[in-house]
Amino acid sequence: DTAVSQTPKYLVTQMGNDKSIKCEQNLGHDTMYWYKQDSKKFLKIMFSYNNKELIINETVPNRFSPKSPDKAHLNLHINSLELGDSAVYFCASSQVSSGPAGYGYTFGSGTRLTVV
Amino acid sequence: GQNIDQPTEMTATEGAIVQINCTYQTSGFNGLFWYQQHAGEAPTFLSYNVLDGLEEKGRFSSFLSRSKGYSYLLLKELQMKDSASYLCAVRDGNTGFQKLVFGTGTRLLVSP
Repeated sequence: DTAVSQTPKYLVTQMGNDKSIKCEQNLGHDTMYWYKQDSKKFLKIMFSYNNKELIINETVPNRFSPKSPDKAHLNLHINSLELGDSAVYFCASSQVSSGPAGYGYTFGSGTRLTVV
Repeated sequence: GQNIDQPTEMTATEGAIVQINCTYQTSGFNGLFWYQQHAGEAPTFLSYNVLDGLEEKGRFSSFLSRSKGYSYLLLKELQMKDSASYLCAVRDGNTGFQKLVFGTGTRLLVSP
């Protein structure tokens, strides 16, 4: 199936640990994103990569480090996890060079991170 | 910067019509999207407006007025499965790349 897939779906970990979330898309899109959705369901952009290059880096603690080995993959590594990092993290992709229709993003199914 | 406002929650009855409003202020408007998100799932694309007017897609329609910074999503013949959050998102063209800025979402509860 063509999709944006992220792993793991659930992640429970202790404060202070380091964890990674992986994302892969086989849609042939050239741009990938990480969004964070908090407990109030507010989706906020964190990072975006276009053809492996970082193009959007919002105000995010530097404990969060994205990595894009190729345009189909975008991983998120989080160091020294804190309670406030608990949220659902969504990966998404889009084709920036799409025509006037520009149908926005395709989202992955999300990773629910719980820091205890 | 951007500011996007939606009602937090709405309720409606099965078979009815509901209109979810979205107002926005942005420095580089390049299109407005509506997404549906069921609890515990990913947002899925519903509609896209870049020019003023109404876009109709089956039971769902979306309207845009760029001069007023206003959009609405109209859902007709409501079904129980339409209970979900509806997210308004504005595409920011200032960065030169796509960047969707989301509103806080409207939680719609459809009752029998």
